[in-house]
Amino acid sequence: GQNIDQPTEMTATEGAIVQINCTYQTSGFNGLFWYQQHAGEAPTFLSYNVLDGLEEKGRFSSFLSRSKGYSYLLLKELQMKDSASYLCAVRNSNYQLIWGAGTKLIIKP
Amino acid sequence: ETGVTQTPRHLVMGMTNKKSLKCEQHLGHNAMYWYKQSAKKPLELMFVYNFKEQTENNSVPSRFSPECPNSSHLFLHLHTLQPEDSALYLCASSPREGDQETQYFGPGTRLLVL
Repeated sequence: GQNIDQPTEMTATEGAIVQINCTYQTSGFNGLFWYQQHAGEAPTFLSYNVLDGLEEKGRFSSFLSRSKGYSYLLLKELQMKDSASYLCAVRNSNYQLIWGAGTKLIIKP
Repeated sequence: ETGVTQTPRHLVMGMTNKKSLKCEQHLGHNAMYWYKQSAKKPLELMFVYNFKEQTENNSVPSRFSPECPNSSHLFLHLHTLQPEDSALYLCASSPREGDQETQYFGPGTRLLVL
């Protein structure tokens, strides 16, 4: 079967750095997405990786290793507003999006 | 309005009721999606419409009935639901199905079935 694994919950401190990991097993690969979802709100697009390496976008960076079936989302200089769930999703060879259950990130002062 | 909108935002219904969820996108996209999101579970794709044609039905029970009258509007008709159907129902759109573009989500309808 196809699945995406990511930690259920993580806690970090305001101003610090946190890395959220995502491992995947899918039938083929056509890109990996990270979304942010605040409680009671819509998921919003954060990043897209299709080639190996690091994509940086402000305080957020996303890394991909296709050979390892692995990605991480790196959040720097954490702010209280970063408290949210972070969803990892992989597009397989049929262009279907396979979703992880999300990682709830709790930021403490 | 811009983006993807959904109404109602919250819905409580009994198992014998009939209700409909509405989604509208103002992005000029041609693909629209219904997802079910339950606590601590991955998003479950329910239905996909591409250029108004249904292209995917992920073994969804017949008590859920989608309708896509045009590329901007998507409905989910609900009847004789079960308590386990209580969840957040998300609508999304993208330029086309199966392309490299990201999906844009609406805020969702929080459904409670009593």
